Formats: sequence, C-alpha cells, structure tokens
Amino acid sequence: EAGVVQSPRYKIIEKKQPVAFWCNPISGHNTLYWYRQNLGQGPELLIRYENEEAVDDSQLPKDRFSAERLKGVDSTLKIQPAELGDSAVYLCASSWAGQALVQTFFGQGTRLTVV
Amino acid sequence: AQTVTQSQPEMSVQEAETVTLSCTYDTSESDYYLFWYKQPPSRQMILVIRQEAYKQQNATENRFSVNFQKAAKSFSLKISDSQLGDAAMYFCATITGTASKLTFGTGTRLQVTL
Repeated sequence: EAGVVQSPRYKIIEKKQPVAFWCNPISGHNTLYWYRQNLGQGPELLIRYENEEAVDDSQLPKDRFSAERLKGVDSTLKIQPAELGDSAVYLCASSWAGQALVQTFFGQGTRLTVV
Repeated sequence: AQTVTQSQPEMSVQEAETVTLSCTYDTSESDYYLFWYKQPPSRQMILVIRQEAYKQQNATENRFSVNFQKAAKSFSLKISDSQLGDAAMYFCATITGTASKLTFGTGTRLQVTL
C-alpha cells in the first residue's frame, strides 16, 4: 500500500512568487493535515480537513496561504506571494476519521526555500 | 492548549548501549495520547511508540520503551541496544480527542557512534 505522497520534494523560488504543493493521502483516509516545520522546530498544524471540509484552519495565514481538497482526496496548499519567512518543510499527513489518536501517517514533505 | 518540551537538543550514544530521551508535556485534557516520532534525513515522520494516558502500563515496542509518569507529566523514551539506524531526530508529541491535531516538541537529535 502506498503511503502519503507529496510533490515536489524540493522547491526554490524567489520571494513574491507563487508556489503550490500537492498531497495524495493514503487511500480511504478521511482526515488530511498540512503541517509546517521550521528549521530546528517540530511540525505545527496549518490546516486539517475532514473529507472536503476544512475543520481547523485557525493557524493558516489566510492573507497569503490557501488550500483545497477536491473530492475529499488529493489536496493542494498554495502560497501567494511567498516571503522569506515561508522557507520551511511542508508536511502532509493523513489518518482514518477519528483514528488520529491511534496513528497519523506522514509524507516525506516538501522543502521550500525562498530566496 | 497543549505544550510539549524536549530539553535535550542533542544526545549521543554508542552502538549497543542504552539512551533515554526526555519529554515533558502540559495539557488540561483528561483524554490524551502521547507519541514518539522518528524523523530521519528523508524527513518522513515515523511512529516509534504510542501511549494512552489512561493506561498505567508503559508501552514497549521491541527495543523501544517509555517511562510514563502521568502525575509529573513526563514521557521519556528509552532505546536499548542502540543501532546505527536509530540516528535521527526524535519528536515527542501529544494529541487530544478535542483538538485532533498533534502538538510536537522541538526534537532531540540522536547520534549513534561506533
């Protein structure tokens, strides 16, 4: 069974440019998360989806970040325009509904560098 | 809100020896779970071990075990018979039934030497 798949693995962009990250969760997982991991820190939640609904986006900087999860499967996280402080690893994760207490599965992340 | 504190930025252990990584947490919830995740250079977070707060018995998974002290809000990870492949960042995390999101500490980098 395939795990959580993210692309791209690496992205380097100039500040003020847009960037998008894609995530394909494990088949059947209703819950999808986007976490941001700054250098030397643990991941922090940006947004959580239950199926197609964003149920927790309180930590998403909505002036420049947007996310969508079409048909309750794949998800895209976008930043427009990117700032130097957005350089981080963006991790996608998924779990069965209500099963995050058991285990959350993570992808390999996208390392974003804004120059 | 939940907080997780890992006070050891780096630890080193010799191959075949035992090492303990420390973690303290704070939560006002009674229903919560604790985890240790391993993050190798590939960046993928891999679950090492999980502990339900309502269980007094410490969780074990092969060479990995925890010392869960609920009153002290302490959750340390013991790695026995350390192997070179254990070298990675280790993150302590907690999740509650109401928040449904993982809250991580800042991590401990474990080096394993010959």
